[in-house]
Amino acid sequence: ETGVTQTPRHLVMGMTNKKSLKCEQHLGHNAMYWYKQSAKKPLELMFVYNFKEQTENNSVPSRFSPECPNSSHLFLHLHTLQPEDSALYLCASSQDQPVNTEAFFGQGTRLTVV
Amino acid sequence: QQPVQSPQAVILREGEDAVINCSSSKALYSVHWYRQKHGEAPVFLMILLKGGEQKGHEKISASFNEKKQQSSLYLTASQLSYSGTYFCGTDAGGTSYGKLTFGQGTILTVHP
Repeated sequence: ETGVTQTPRHLVMGMTNKKSLKCEQHLGHNAMYWYKQSAKKPLELMFVYNFKEQTENNSVPSRFSPECPNSSHLFLHLHTLQPEDSALYLCASSQDQPVNTEAFFGQGTRLTVV
Repeated sequence: QQPVQSPQAVILREGEDAVINCSSSKALYSVHWYRQKHGEAPVFLMILLKGGEQKGHEKISASFNEKKQQSSLYLTASQLSYSGTYFCGTDAGGTSYGKLTFGQGTILTVHP
């Protein structure tokens, strides 16, 4: 248990569905991140939020829409995804951003797009 | 541009040593090391900052050679619990300051 909780752990969705991934941390951290982890590929940074403000969008397609209502919660809204979007989506948090301190990762949501 | 890790995989017997390397084509501000066990979240190991010291705790340590733009992770007297995938994340500083780019990972398997 790292202090970062992601739900759901597994998600199967059709290409026309709309779903959301949730991330929650009660570590008092100010920065939160979404990463994508595909098979045989490195961890890819998607979005960064610092004090609820988005500070990084790493050229992510608009079918992924993040939301950070407060410093403890981060969402990733999904719509009209493609099969190649199937991956493990990891949320992380750190005390501050830039990341010169330890980042805590959630266990991820395993997403399958059919 | 992502750093390159080597080797891609290594198999050890308990008690043996291993070195995992992380090389970048860019000058680096910091290097971060994480370990991820199958089905679990990546777990932080250590950060090495430019101009900083070599770090380590117990039998896992790391070095950062700024001139060569590379870092090495040293695992000595490996234990079964060391098995997992090791990732390095690099921060090139400048306009990329605070943005970690991860390598492809090194799979470490320790057998009894």
